[in-house]
Amino acid sequence: DGGITQSPKYLFRKEGQNVTLSCEQNLNHDAMYWYRQDPGQGLRLIYYSQIVNDFQKGDIAEGYSVSREKKESFPLTVTSAQKNPTAFYLCASSPPAGRHSGNTIYFGEGSWLTVV
Amino acid sequence: AQSVTQPDIHITVSEGASLELRCNYSYGATPYLFWYVQSPGQGLQLLLKYFSGDTLVQGIKGFEAEFKRSQSSFNLRKPSVHWSDAAEYFCAVGAPPNFNKFYFGSGTKLNVKP
Repeated sequence: DGGITQSPKYLFRKEGQNVTLSCEQNLNHDAMYWYRQDPGQGLRLIYYSQIVNDFQKGDIAEGYSVSREKKESFPLTVTSAQKNPTAFYLCASSPPAGRHSGNTIYFGEGSWLTVV
Repeated sequence: AQSVTQPDIHITVSEGASLELRCNYSYGATPYLFWYVQSPGQGLQLLLKYFSGDTLVQGIKGFEAEFKRSQSSFNLRKPSVHWSDAAEYFCAVGAPPNFNKFYFGSGTKLNVKP
């Protein structure tokens, strides 16, 4: 089935470590996104990528890094510079504008990151 | 700047009662409009979307939403709520000409009383 797969579902990080969250999609979507969600809050955009080998900072990019070497993959690294990384992370993707389905954004199931 | 406002943080309704969740947006043109639902610890599932045409759109799980241009609103409705509808609901806007930019409201958490 087509969809967006995030892994791992739960991840624990020690202080000072970098961790990488995986996001893979087989929907053939061009654009991919990473959002952060804190309890009781909405979604905040970390990074997005509209095409391979290109990405832009979102509203809260500090302490995070991404890469987009393949169309189907958009991993997020949470670096030690991110002071408060404990949160729920959502990966998403959307097809190009102008397609008959419009530019709807679709989400993965999310990954929980906890600093221990 | 574009923005999406969901004025109700929490709403509690009785099972079987009707529901309306409010969403207002700020945008210079007609945007693309969406409602998503999120169960605890899960991703967001698309309920319905509006791109153009009929301003009353039907979605999954018996939900509908109405786009009112004059009020910059896109309220979500359901005539009879079920206990399984308890979740958090997010309104979102997709903003042409940058079709790949989306803006989300802060969410409304729905509780359903038996």
